[in-house]
Amino acid sequence: QLVLTQSPSASASLGASVKLTCTLSSGHSGYTIAWHQQQPEKGPHFLMKVNSDGSLSKGDGITDRFSGSSSGAERYLTISSLKSEDEADYYCQTWGTGIHGVFGGGTKLTVL
Amino acid sequence: QLQLQESGPRLVKPSETLSLTCTVSGGPIRGTNDYWGWIRQPPGKGLEWIGSIYSSGSTYYNPSLKSRVSISVDTSKNQFSLELSSVTAADTAVYYCARLCSNGICLIQYWGLGTLVTVSS
Repeated sequence: QLVLTQSPSASASLGASVKLTCTLSSGHSGYTIAWHQQQPEKGPHFLMKVNSDGSLSKGDGITDRFSGSSSGAERYLTISSLKSEDEADYYCQTWGTGIHGVFGGGTKLTVL
Repeated sequence: QLQLQESGPRLVKPSETLSLTCTVSGGPIRGTNDYWGWIRQPPGKGLEWIGSIYSSGSTYYNPSLKSRVSISVDTSKNQFSLELSSVTAADTAVYYCARLCSNGICLIQYWGLGTLVTVSS
């Protein structure tokens, strides 16, 4: 079964960097995922897609402070030079046969 | 740049049918190799895919909701719609419409703003 696993929470200080992880279930390490940001009281917003080879494609206007990478079954979102506006929930998403939306549980990022 | 906007009643009574419509602007639904669909988010919880529809009308539904869900498309109005029957309080959520897939890649790049639907008598 295709499952995406995320840590429920993460924190980092203003100006620092943070790396969020999305882990694909066994047998699905080749899947491409998307990262979405959801700021408080707002809807999700597409950040980027990350392929299994680490290549990525960002959404329009996404700052260079956001980057993605990959290692095995793990997909990463790194945010550098953290700002208060980066405090949000971050979701990874992929798809399977006949199932167009598979979401991780989300990581709540707190900027200290 | 695609834009999607949800519309419909914000309050639905238990056991009744929730109905929402998504209007797409900035590009056509017809003639594209895209799936359009619905995702929901209960208050304080994560995202749940509800279902998707192709411009031809073919659909995919979340197995956990399949018995209660119907998604339809009206390409003449550039809209697609959701019906969820026999609702309960557990169906209270923000409902988002989105472009689910494009050319076989099902990574959501375009989301609606979302609309909160409350199930209550």
